[in-house]
Amino acid sequence: ELKVEQNPLFLSMQEGKNYTIYCNYSTTSDRLYWYRQDPGKSLESLFVLLSNGAVKQEGRLMASLDTKARLSTLHITAAVHDLSATYFCASNNDMRFGAGTRLTVKP
Amino acid sequence: DTAVSQTPKYLVTQMGNDKSIKCEQNLGHDTMYWYKQDSKKFLKIMFSYNNKELIINETVPNRFSPKSPDKAHLNLHINSLELGDSAVYFCASSPAGSYYEQYFGPGTRLTVT
Repeated sequence: ELKVEQNPLFLSMQEGKNYTIYCNYSTTSDRLYWYRQDPGKSLESLFVLLSNGAVKQEGRLMASLDTKARLSTLHITAAVHDLSATYFCASNNDMRFGAGTRLTVKP
Repeated sequence: DTAVSQTPKYLVTQMGNDKSIKCEQNLGHDTMYWYKQDSKKFLKIMFSYNNKELIINETVPNRFSPKSPDKAHLNLHINSLELGDSAVYFCASSPAGSYYEQYFGPGTRLTVT
C-alpha cells in the first residue's frame, strides 16, 4: 500500500529564515501535489509536479520532485508570518495525502 | 462565482440518523472526489467519480454512499451515523485524470452527538 510521509509534522521558524519540508512516498507516483490549508479553511493548490526533476516556484515557496528517490521537497525562503499554515503533499497514486506539516512563522 | 460548493457548511445530528451532504462544481470538470479530514487533520480520500462513474472507492463503511446525478454534482449520503463519523468532509473536483490539481470545496463540518 502506498504511504506518503511528510517531515517534519510541526515546524516553528522565525521570519527571515529558510527551511525545507520533505515528502517521501513508498511506491511509484508520476505526479506529486502540494496544497496549503489555513486553520478552519479549505485546501488550496500550490504546485503540481509532473515529472522527474520538475521544479516550480511561487513567491517564497519552491517545490521539486525526484521520482527516482521518491522524494519531493517544499523549500521556504525568508519566511514571513503569512506563510503560517498546514502544508500537505499528495501522490496521484490513489490520491494519497501526507499527514501535513503545520508551519508557524514567528516574528 | 463559487467554483466548488458544498451544503450544508455545518451539520449537527444525533447517532443513528441519516444525512446527506451535497456538492456542486461549476468548473466543467469531469472528476469529483470526497475526502474526510479527521480531528488530527489527516486527509483521506473516500470516493472518486469520473463522468458519473465510480473510479476510487476506498475502504469506507457501507453506510457511506456517493451519488452522482450528473458530472457537476456528487452527493454523499450517510446512514446510521456514528460518533466516529464526526469530521470535516471535503468535496473536490479536477479535470479528467490526475494531471491537474484538485479544487476543494469549503468543507462540511459534521458533528455526531
